[in-house]
Amino acid sequence: KQEVTQIPAALSVPEGENLVLNCSFTDSAIYNLQWFRQDPGKGLTSLLLIQSSQREQTSGRLNASLDKSSGRSTLYIAASQPGDSATYLCAVGLIGSSNTGKLIFGQGTTLQVKP
Amino acid sequence: KAGVTQTPRYLIKTRGQQVTLSCSPISGHRSVSWYQQTPGQGLQFLFEYFSETQRNKGNFPGRFSGRQFSNSRSEMNVSTLELGDSALYLCASSLGSGGRADTQYFGPGTRLTVL
Repeated sequence: KQEVTQIPAALSVPEGENLVLNCSFTDSAIYNLQWFRQDPGKGLTSLLLIQSSQREQTSGRLNASLDKSSGRSTLYIAASQPGDSATYLCAVGLIGSSNTGKLIFGQGTTLQVKP
Repeated sequence: KAGVTQTPRYLIKTRGQQVTLSCSPISGHRSVSWYQQTPGQGLQFLFEYFSETQRNKGNFPGRFSGRQFSNSRSEMNVSTLELGDSALYLCASSLGSGGRADTQYFGPGTRLTVL
């Protein structure tokens, strides 16, 4: 059974700091991995999707890496800003017809960036 | 392009009642997935519909059901509500092609409170 773990559960940093969020998964047979952002009481905003054949994806100040063999992904946020404060979730899509449309989520890392 | 919309945004029901939630996917998307989010369990997959057919189902009791219409809009229904059904219900749409780059886009969610 696929399990996704995110460490740390919460993180507080001063504005301008570079930071890394971690995601680990137990089964390397994944289709893809997505990073999402969730603001309090809101839905999820897709940040980056990494296909199983890729090693990393970049969008602006965000860079996500994927190491399937070790079951790990990291989300790197450069020059953090107060507007980055949110909960960040990683989710894996699984291989197999019985897993279509299904993402397995971690519990999230709640980030606070202080001005 | 309009995003995923969900109605209603908030609902208050009492135990034993039933409820219907609606989700309109992004134009051109044929897959709709539903998730339940609670503080204790996090995000859990309910089911996925593609071309009016349920392709995948999570581990939820039969009180949770859904359907999809020919225009890809989807509804989920919860019968005989229990206090534990209080949650944020999120739907996500995707092309449904099953490809590695099949990103899921989430709606704002419906906040259900069961009293």
